[in-house]
Amino acid sequence: KAGVTQTPRYLIKTRGQQVTLSCSPISGHRSVSWYQQTPGQGLQFLFEYFSETQRNKGNFPGRFSGRQFSNSRSEMNVSTLELGDSALYLCASSPGQGTDTQYFGPGTRLTVL
Amino acid sequence: AQSVTQLDSQVPVFEEAPVELRCNYSSSVSVYLFWYVQYPNQGLQLLLKYLSGSTLVKGINGFEAEFNKSQTSFHLRKPSVHISDTAEYFCAVANAGGTSYGKLTFGQGTILTVHP
Repeated sequence: KAGVTQTPRYLIKTRGQQVTLSCSPISGHRSVSWYQQTPGQGLQFLFEYFSETQRNKGNFPGRFSGRQFSNSRSEMNVSTLELGDSALYLCASSPGQGTDTQYFGPGTRLTVL
Repeated sequence: AQSVTQLDSQVPVFEEAPVELRCNYSSSVSVYLFWYVQYPNQGLQLLLKYLSGSTLVKGINGFEAEFNKSQTSFHLRKPSVHISDTAEYFCAVANAGGTSYGKLTFGQGTILTVHP
C-alpha cells in the first residue's frame, strides 16, 4: 500500500499570505489528523477529520482551518500567515478508531518570511 | 488535560550499549501510549504502542517499552543500539475509550545519538 503523501514538501511564503497544504491518506483510511511541529512548541495537534467532518480540534486560532473530501483527502489552510507559522506540518491517517495506529506523512516544511 | 514529559532531551550512547529513554505522563482518564521515531527530514514512524493487556510491549527494530500505571511511566528500552538508531524519539498519549478522535499528545522528544 502506498503511504501517506503530502504536497508540496516545501513552501516559502511571506507574511500576510495564505497557504493550502494537501494530504492524501493511505487507501481505505477515513481519518486524517494534522499536526504542527516547531522547535519551540514541539508537536501540536491541529485538528482531525473523519468522513468529511471535523471530529476534534486543538488550540489554534481560527486562521488555521481544514477540510476533507469524499475520497478522504484533506487540505489544511492557513490565512494571514505570521512568522511564527513557520513549521513542519505533518498529517497522519488511520482507519478512524481510537485504537488505530496513526501513519504519518513526510510533512510539508513551511517557511514564512 | 493530558501531558507527556520526556525526561531527557538528549541521550548519547555508544554502539552496542543498552539505552533507556524515559517518558512520564499525566492524565485524568485511561490512556493509550505510543513511541514514535523521527529520522531527519522524515515523518514519524510508530515503534510500538500500549493499548491494554501485558505491560511489556515489544516493537520494531528491537525496541520494547514497559507500562507502569502506578508510576505513570512508559519507558523505551533497547538492549543493544546501532548507529542507525540515531534519531529523535517521541512518546505520545491518546485518550482511551474511543474519544481521542485522532488526537495524540506528544512529549518534547529525546534525541538519541549513537556513537561508534
